[in-house]
Amino acid sequence: DVKVTQSSRYLVKRTGEKVFLECVQDMDHENMFWYRQDPGLGLRLIYFSYDVKMKEKGDIPEGYSVSREKKERFSLILESASTNQTSMYLCASTGTGELGEQYFGPGTRLTVT
Amino acid sequence: AQSVAQPEDQVNVAEGNPLTVKCTYSVSGNPYLFWYVQYPNRGLQFLLKYITGDNLVKGSYGFEAEFNKSQTSFHLKKPSALVSDSALYFCAVREGTGGFKTIFGAGTRLFVKA
Repeated sequence: DVKVTQSSRYLVKRTGEKVFLECVQDMDHENMFWYRQDPGLGLRLIYFSYDVKMKEKGDIPEGYSVSREKKERFSLILESASTNQTSMYLCASTGTGELGEQYFGPGTRLTVT
Repeated sequence: AQSVAQPEDQVNVAEGNPLTVKCTYSVSGNPYLFWYVQYPNRGLQFLLKYITGDNLVKGSYGFEAEFNKSQTSFHLKKPSALVSDSALYFCAVREGTGGFKTIFGAGTRLFVKA
C-alpha cells in the first residue's frame, strides 16, 4: 500500500513565524502535491512537483513556497505565517502517467494565532 | 477551464436506502473523473475513477458512479447505505490532455441515519 505521511497532525504557530510542513511518500512517485482544504471551498492546489527540484505553482501559491530535494520528500513552507493561512493542509502523490488517482496523507491542521 | 460542481452541501439518507451524491463537471477535452471520501480527521481516500470505457464504474465499499457525457455528470451511488458511509465526499476532474492538475469540488457531506 502507498503510504503518505505528514510531519504533524496538529500545529499551532504565531503570526509571522516561518512554518515547515513536511510530506514523505514511500512509493517512488514522481508527482507530489500540496493542497489546502477549507470548508465550502474543497481542495485548492498550492504547489506541485513532477520531479526532484522541479516545482509548479498551483491556484493559490501566494504566501507559500516549496522544496523538493529528494524524490520521496516534498516540503511546504510558510515564509511568514498569517491568520488567513489557518487551514487543513493535505499532501498527495501519484506516479507517472495521467490516469492514476492521488494518494493523500492524513493532513496537518494548522492554526495561526 | 476545468470546473466541478457538487450542488448539495449535505445529503441525508436512512440506512438501507439507496444514496446518490451528485457531481457535474466542465472540461474542454475528455475528462478523467474521480471520487474520493474523507472520514473525520483523515486524509482523502480514493473510491473510484472513470477514464474510458463502460459508463458505470464500480469502486470500493460498494460504491459505483455513472458517467453521463451528455449531461456532463458523474453521480456517485450506492444501492444500500450504511451508517459507516457517513463522511465527506469529493468529486474531482482532470482534463485528459491537461497534465496532472486536478480540480476538486467543494464536497458533499453524507449523513446516514440508523
